[in-house]
Parts: sequence; C-alpha cells; structure tokens
Amino acid sequence: DVKVTQSSRYLVKRTGEKVFLECVQDMDHENMFWYRQDPGLGLRLIYFSYDVKMKEKGDIPEGYSVSREKKERFSLILESASTNQTSMYLCASSLWDRTATDTQYFGPGTRLTVL
Amino acid sequence: KQEVTQIPAALSVPEGENLVLNCSFTDSAIYNLQWFRQDPGKGLTSLLLIQSSQREQTSGRLNASLDKSSGRSTLYIAASQPGDSATYLCAVKLTGGGNKLTFGTGTQLKVEL
Repeated sequence: DVKVTQSSRYLVKRTGEKVFLECVQDMDHENMFWYRQDPGLGLRLIYFSYDVKMKEKGDIPEGYSVSREKKERFSLILESASTNQTSMYLCASSLWDRTATDTQYFGPGTRLTVL
Repeated sequence: KQEVTQIPAALSVPEGENLVLNCSFTDSAIYNLQWFRQDPGKGLTSLLLIQSSQREQTSGRLNASLDKSSGRSTLYIAASQPGDSATYLCAVKLTGGGNKLTFGTGTQLKVEL
C-alpha cells in the first residue's frame, strides 16, 4: 500500500527559528513535492524534486529551501521562520511521468504555526 | 499561467441528493485532470483522473467529465451520504508542464442527515 509520511502533524516554532519538515515515501517514486495550503489560496507548489540531489522551484519558493539526499526522503527547510509561513504543509510523491495516469500521493500534512 | 477555479466554495445538501461540483481552467492544453478529496486536517486522496483524450471517468457513485474546449470539468456525486462530507479539489497537469499540478481552491461539501 502506498505510503507518504511526514515527520510531524503539528509544529509550533518561534520567529527566526530554523525549521525542518521531513517527508518519506516508500514507493520508490522519482518525484517528490512540497506544497503549502492556505484558506482561499488552495495548494501552492513550493519546490519539487525529480531525482536525488535535483530540485526545481515551484510557484512560491521564497523563504524556503529543500534537500533530497536519498530517493525516499525530501526535506523542506525554513531558514528563518516568519509568521507568514504559518500554514498547512503537504508533501506528495509520484512516479516519473511515464503515463498520463500517474497520480500524486499525499502525506497527512504538517500544521505549522510560527509565533 | 494556468488558473483553476472551483465554484461554489461551499455546498450543503441533504442526504440522498445528487450533486455536481464544478471546475474550470483557463489553459486547455492539459495532459490530465484529477479530482481529489480532502478530509479536515488530512492529506489529499485521488478520486478520479481523466486523461486529455477522455471525456469521463466513473468510480462507484462518482462520475467526472471533462470538456477541454470549454475548459470545464464536473464531478457528479450520486445519492450523497454524510460520509461524502469533505473538501473536493480539482487539479490539472499541463502538457509539457512536467509533473506539476495546478490546484483549484476546492469546494467544501457538507451532506446533512
């Protein structure tokens, strides 16, 4: 059964802290994604990775960085957390786009609050 | 830039009613369109995926249609149940857009007893 896990369901951090959000998938997927979800704005892509050590910016990469040292793990890093980064963060993974039916599988999300 | 819109933002219906959720997109050069379900505080679960060459897909009480020329998709839910209460999101993948999805903001559905 497909599984994407995220390290924390809820996280509270202080302004200026460095924050790590971890995502692990057990499906040997090439692609991994980080989104944030805010009311009225929907899901917005922050970064994605199509291979180990490879990354591409999404629509809103400012204030974030990512790391993919192993195929199964994709980390989102907030170098200096700010209150406007309070949000729900969702990780997803998918196979490389071999067919038109490859879907993204999502983790349960991390609700991050920055005080 | 692809924009995806879902109307209405929220919908409340009595149990047993058939209902339609709408999704519209601005760029018709899509590779596929998906409908997802999201329960409160949870991740997304894929419900149906329609390839650009298809007109519709069905799974149980769910039927999704796609009209690329008009930039629209609908999700039809038959005989709604309280367990259908969730937020429904549509997402499109553009041709040549790699593996990126563009999401709508969702329709929050409540099915009441």
